[in-house]
Amino acid sequence: DAGVIQSPRHEVTEMGQEVTLRCKPISGHNSLFWYRQTMMRGLELLIYFNNNVPIDDSGMPEDRFSAKMPNASFSTLKIQPSEPRDSAVYFCASSLIPGGIRNIQYFGAGTRLSVL
Amino acid sequence: QQQVKQSPQSLIVQKGGISIINCAYENTAFDYFPWYQQFPGKGPALLIAIRPDVSEKKEGRFTISFNKSAKQFSLHIMDSQPGDSATYFCAAREQGGKLIFGQGTELSVKP
Repeated sequence: DAGVIQSPRHEVTEMGQEVTLRCKPISGHNSLFWYRQTMMRGLELLIYFNNNVPIDDSGMPEDRFSAKMPNASFSTLKIQPSEPRDSAVYFCASSLIPGGIRNIQYFGAGTRLSVL
Repeated sequence: QQQVKQSPQSLIVQKGGISIINCAYENTAFDYFPWYQQFPGKGPALLIAIRPDVSEKKEGRFTISFNKSAKQFSLHIMDSQPGDSATYFCAAREQGGKLIFGQGTELSVKP
């Protein structure tokens, strides 16, 4: 299995532009998580989906952020408009549900976003 | 409110030594406690995990010690190697599947 695939790996954009990050979870996984990692705040959960349905979006910082999961094999995280403080590494992770010892989250390699 | 507190923030250990990273949690409803290892430029990867009804779990050189009454758990890396140099995150899982991560410990093992 190729693991969780994220694109792009790096994104440099200017303040005010729209940014779209993409994620393909591991085939057969039915939970998907979006995280943001910064030096100051560590790893923060932004939103997660079970069976393509958003379950908890309490970590989404503000209305500029939105996430969708139109099918089991694809998710996007969009920032519009982007701001310099959004600069971070964004990770996508997937896992099986329900819980139990098999519910391991597998992370992608991340997208490093720089907003100038 | 930080539900999982991790210490130290950074750690330097000599090759062959023991690395110890500590975590404390507040929510007694957490049902699973994994440790993740992250190398620069990579995503976190599951290293070892424990359930709250077990006091210790060992996998090779890595051991988790779990103290349910104190709401603390720790990662011990025996015979630390330079290849173990990475950032380590403890985490605690809510019953719905959401992981709450500690702030991370940057481990450097000197040859």
